[in-house]
Amino acid sequence: NAGVTQTPKFQVLKTGQSMTLQCAQDMNHNSMYWYRQDPGMGLRLIYYSASEGTTDKGEVPNGYNVSRLNKREFSLRLESAAPSQTSVYFCASSKQGQDTQYFGPGTRLTVL
Amino acid sequence: AQSVTQLGSHVSVSEGALVLLRCNYSSSVPPYLFWYVQYPNQGLQLLLKYTSAATLVKGINGFEAEFKKSETSFHLTKPSAHMSDAAEYFCAVGGLGYIPTFGRGTSLIVHP
Repeated sequence: NAGVTQTPKFQVLKTGQSMTLQCAQDMNHNSMYWYRQDPGMGLRLIYYSASEGTTDKGEVPNGYNVSRLNKREFSLRLESAAPSQTSVYFCASSKQGQDTQYFGPGTRLTVL
Repeated sequence: AQSVTQLGSHVSVSEGALVLLRCNYSSSVPPYLFWYVQYPNQGLQLLLKYTSAATLVKGINGFEAEFKKSETSFHLTKPSAHMSDAAEYFCAVGGLGYIPTFGRGTSLIVHP
């Protein structure tokens, strides 16, 4: 099992550019999540998907959109990147919302 | 509503010394409590979790944590630190039907 995979690992964008971060899990989990990690701020939830076909906003959703493509895949889109979106982005999955989360290796994004 | 406070953004210990990382929580439902570890340039992985069974929970790598309801605490301990324990540690609080909320993290520094 690969667990949770994320692509790309690194990305540099210019202000105003768009991009999509991809995430896939092979554990047959129902719930998937996108977090951002910034120094001193811990992990902040951007969006989550409790089950296939549903998505909900987390703590910091502004500037982002998500798509739960199928049970395995959950993508995060930045429509018009801003320097404030420079961060490390983690995707995670769990069997149900209250269960242990399994994290991907992260995407390090820099917006110039 | 749920929240978690990790006391101390950095904790420094000598190799062989006791490790104590503090976590206090607030929860409107019976809590599920988690400790995760993040090694440099990696995603988070579960160390241990409490979900209303035994109050003393043993995890991987010799770590354990004790749930104290009266103190709303879930502190993480290890009797003897190893150099390989140097990492970022996150406490999280959730509950049945609730996605966990993460603390801001504590960086553990281990000196030879």
